[in-house]
Amino acid sequence: KAGVTQTPRYLIKTRGQQVTLSCSPISGHRSVSWYQQTPGQGLQFLFEYFSETQRNKGNFPGRFSGRQFSNSRSEMNVSTLELGDSALYLCASSLGGALALSHEQFFGPGTRLTVL
Amino acid sequence: QKEVEQNSGPLSVPEGAIASLNCTYSDRGSQSFFWYRQYSGKSPELIMSIYSNGDKEDGRFTAQLNKASQYVSLLIRDSQPSDSATYLCAAASGGSYIPTFGRGTSLIVHP
Repeated sequence: KAGVTQTPRYLIKTRGQQVTLSCSPISGHRSVSWYQQTPGQGLQFLFEYFSETQRNKGNFPGRFSGRQFSNSRSEMNVSTLELGDSALYLCASSLGGALALSHEQFFGPGTRLTVL
Repeated sequence: QKEVEQNSGPLSVPEGAIASLNCTYSDRGSQSFFWYRQYSGKSPELIMSIYSNGDKEDGRFTAQLNKASQYVSLLIRDSQPSDSATYLCAAASGGSYIPTFGRGTSLIVHP
């Protein structure tokens, strides 16, 4: 079974620009979560999508948004980039159901975003 | 606020020794617990899941869960230099679907 894929793997942008990141979950997984990881803050939860609906949201400004398509693929968008947005952005997929096993998250390789 | 606490380390052990990584969590409603391994510059990789009190073994890894003490641990037997990584502990409750992650413990296995 193929794993979680993320594109692009690396991005360099300048302040003020916007960026869109893409994630394809494991086949059969309906939940996609996005995380930001920086050396200083660790893994920070951005939001989770399940069946095309945002089900959970972390404490990030509105510049960070996402969506999920009917095939469970998800995109994350960051508008008006700031220097502090430089980070590794990780997507994780899971079954997304209520059973404990459904909580297992599998991470993609991440997108390394550098904002200059 | 749900929290998962880990000692940041580094935990340094000699090759062949047992490495013991520990984690505590604040939400008594947590029902699912996970250990991830993350190599520098890479994404986290799920290595163990545990859902009930007691021990769960998988190869050289043993996860231990004590819900009464709100404590989870990971033992790595016969540690190898390739086990050197950051280990993230996570806990999830039934109503949330989203695990809460600790900041991770850095493990160094020296030859």
